[in-house]
Amino acid sequence: DVQVVESGGDLVQPGRSLTLSCAVSGFTFDDYAMHWVRQAPGKGLEWVSTISWNSAIIAYADSVKGRFTVSRDNAKDSLSLQMNNLKTEDTAFYYCAKGGESPFDSWGQGTLVTVSS
Amino acid sequence: DIVMTQTPLSSPVTLGQSASISCRSTQSLVHSDGNTYLSWFHQRPGQPPRLLIYKISNRFSGVPDRFSGSGAGTDFTLKISRVEAADVGVYYCLQSTQFPFTFGQGTKLEIK
Repeated sequence: DVQVVESGGDLVQPGRSLTLSCAVSGFTFDDYAMHWVRQAPGKGLEWVSTISWNSAIIAYADSVKGRFTVSRDNAKDSLSLQMNNLKTEDTAFYYCAKGGESPFDSWGQGTLVTVSS
Repeated sequence: DIVMTQTPLSSPVTLGQSASISCRSTQSLVHSDGNTYLSWFHQRPGQPPRLLIYKISNRFSGVPDRFSGSGAGTDFTLKISRVEAADVGVYYCLQSTQFPFTFGQGTKLEIK
């Protein structure tokens, strides 16, 4: 079975940094692009970032460009999201999702990032 | 950026009846590879989204055939036949044809 598990969410002050991690199992990680999606409490879904299987293609939402950095380690089946200069509007559940022929077909339970002073 | 607009935003449905959700994009979602990357998701409270339909009309593994997707270009529809209590929640469309990927605002399905 495919498993996706996010971790690293925390309460942080504005301007600080945080790194989220996503561990996967049950599929060949380096065959698939991976995505980050976030959801502010009570709000809709917002795509954050995508990284291709070999990290050659990386894309970000304008709202996080220049502050967030996505990376992957195919040897460790892991995905990361480095978040710098966090803002209150970055407060959300962050989900990691598997790409592929049926994109976003597997999601983790999410990890909560709260940015507040 | 491609804007995805869903209608209605709320849909009260009687159990056993059908429901339809529309999703319109501001640009054609046909990719240069010929595919149209339009997906539909269902999210229950406190749960992550679940993929229902991808590339307009392909049901993901394990999704009942009560769920069907249709459309082309900029106009797409999700139809839910014989609505069950487990179908309540919020439905989202997503275009992943062009960066930045964009979701619709969500449609809340509730039982009358």
